[in-house]
Amino acid sequence: GQNIDQPTEMTATEGAIVQINCTYQTSGFNGLFWYQQHAGEAPTFLSYNVLDGLEEKGRFSSFLSRSKGYSYLLLKELQMKDSASYLCAVKDSNYQLIWGAGTKLIIKP
Amino acid sequence: DVKVTQSSRYLVKRTGEKVFLECVQDMDHENMFWYRQDPGLGLRLIYFSYDVKMKEKGDIPEGYSVSREKKERFSLILESASTNQTSMYLCASSGGTGDGPDTQYFGPGTRLTVL
Repeated sequence: GQNIDQPTEMTATEGAIVQINCTYQTSGFNGLFWYQQHAGEAPTFLSYNVLDGLEEKGRFSSFLSRSKGYSYLLLKELQMKDSASYLCAVKDSNYQLIWGAGTKLIIKP
Repeated sequence: DVKVTQSSRYLVKRTGEKVFLECVQDMDHENMFWYRQDPGLGLRLIYFSYDVKMKEKGDIPEGYSVSREKKERFSLILESASTNQTSMYLCASSGGTGDGPDTQYFGPGTRLTVL
């Protein structure tokens, strides 16, 4: 079967750094997405990785290792507005997105 | 910016009613999707469409149907609503060039309650 694993919930402090992990087992791999979803709102696109390595976008970075079936989202200089759920999704061999259940990130002052 | 709109943010219906959820996108995207999102579960694909009048079943199509008569509009239909269809319904579209052709952009969602 296809499976995406993420921690259910994480807590971090304002100004700190947090790493949200995602491991996947899918039928094929054609890229990995990270989305942010604030409570009661739609998911919004953060990043896309298709090759191994680190992609940096401001305070957010995303890393991919295809051989390990692993990705992480790194958030630096955390702000209260970063409190949200972070969704990992893998594009499989049929180019369909398989979604993880999401990680709820709680930022404390 | 891509804009995906959905007809209602909140909807309350009774068991057995026929329910229509409308989704419109303004970026001329080829692909449109309907998902449902439930606590503790990932987004689950109900139906998707790669072209006008074309539809494909996703992972959980039972109890649902769709219609795509125009490129910008994708409708989800619950033929006879049941309480286990109480959920958040999210529409998405993809096919642009900005963040890649497979990046999906979501509407605000419709929270449907079936009593």
